[in-house]
Amino acid sequence: DQQVKQNSPSLSVQEGRISILNCDYTNSMFDYFLWYKKYPAEGPTFLISISSIKDKNEDGRFTVFLNKSAKHLSLHIVPSQPGDSAVYFCAARGQGAQKLVFGQGTRLTINP
Amino acid sequence: DVKVTQSSRYLVKRTGEKVFLECVQDMDHENMFWYRQDPGLGLRLIYFSYDVKMKEKGDIPEGYSVSREKKERFSLILESASTNQTSMYLCASSLEGRGNIQYFGAGTRLSVL
Repeated sequence: DQQVKQNSPSLSVQEGRISILNCDYTNSMFDYFLWYKKYPAEGPTFLISISSIKDKNEDGRFTVFLNKSAKHLSLHIVPSQPGDSAVYFCAARGQGAQKLVFGQGTRLTINP
Repeated sequence: DVKVTQSSRYLVKRTGEKVFLECVQDMDHENMFWYRQDPGLGLRLIYFSYDVKMKEKGDIPEGYSVSREKKERFSLILESASTNQTSMYLCASSLEGRGNIQYFGAGTRLSVL
């Protein structure tokens, strides 16, 4: 039972354009969402997060949007850079919980 | 900077062997986690610990056990390794209540032959 789903295994975007990564969840009790980025042979690193009381959070080139009614969040990267090529995981946390539930990941490739 | 160190980057073991994966964090975090990462399945939680000597099962605990005798160290044990435990294993730690930002080690790629 996959509570957090990233339905696109891969995405290819041209350098300078916008990258949009999507994530859907099924558990309405999730109240905090995070995006992690993973390079090969390294552990995931935290990128950006959003609380369920917000619908948008921005940090430089990265913006996360949350649509609670649709149980959907997205990560926008603009402009995309070659160093953004990585696997991106979305994750969600239930209220009061310490553990995170991760999606399957989306491999983003930025083409020059 | 938070540092989470996993003792081995690569391990090759034989079926039936007992395997220990070690993880150490240097930021006095209360919570520690073990995940495995498999293609198409993302990160799946095996076990986590929120305090010394405390542990809770994650989503896929079968075939694994853990030990946390000291706050900074969390060990994952494969009692009798099997080929379906070939995977990338990731350790993470987090502070209690800090938005659950987990900090990860570089991972251990385990091959069971």
